[in-house]
Amino acid sequence: EVQLVESEGGLVQPGGSLRLSCAASGFTFSDHYMDWVRQAPGEGLEWVGRIRDKANSYTTQYAASVKGRFTISRDDSKNSLFLQMNSLKTEDTAVYYCARVGRNSGSYRWGQGTLVTVSS
Amino acid sequence: QSVLTQPPSVSGAPGQRVTISCTGSSSNIGAGYDVHWYQQLPGTAPKLLIYANTNRPSGVPDRFSGSKSGTSASLAITGLQAEDEADYYCQSYDSSLSGSAVFGGGTKLTVL
Repeated sequence: EVQLVESEGGLVQPGGSLRLSCAASGFTFSDHYMDWVRQAPGEGLEWVGRIRDKANSYTTQYAASVKGRFTISRDDSKNSLFLQMNSLKTEDTAVYYCARVGRNSGSYRWGQGTLVTVSS
Repeated sequence: QSVLTQPPSVSGAPGQRVTISCTGSSSNIGAGYDVHWYQQLPGTAPKLLIYANTNRPSGVPDRFSGSKSGTSASLAITGLQAEDEADYYCQSYDSSLSGSAVFGGGTKLTVL
């Protein structure tokens, strides 16, 4: 069974930094692209970014709203995904989901999510 | 403003059939990208409901079905049950955004 477990989020001041992690199990982590998706309170889903697999040189792609501030990385030896968030803004307040990208379909399997609150 | 357009809300009585539309454009659904559907129950993470336009993952009841035509897709739910009350999201990819994932704004289903 696919399991994705995000680390605890938290409260961060504007301009601050936070690193999220996602522990994967139940599938061959190294074979999959991995995404981060977020959901602001009471809002819809917003794609944050993607990291591809080793065969695709671990290339990354980001939404315009986070490019230059967020960095996605992975450690295939530890079945782990990371999201480094810098220069956080109040509008980054959201539940952040780790998601496995289906190899053939491009659909998502989701983690349980973790709340990040950016506020002074 | 979401790239994919969904109605904000739909409703139906128990046992009825409802459909939720997802309208895109020539750079996403119309470009041939598959559409996926997710169900989000209150306070929980989204769950994959339909993948690649018409396919149900194991464990999803056959009351749920998907279709795609041109620049649009639809999710149909038959035999509505109280437990179907949730938010539903469509998702695809967009070539004008370098192949980034895109979502609909979500549709709140109310079972009357």
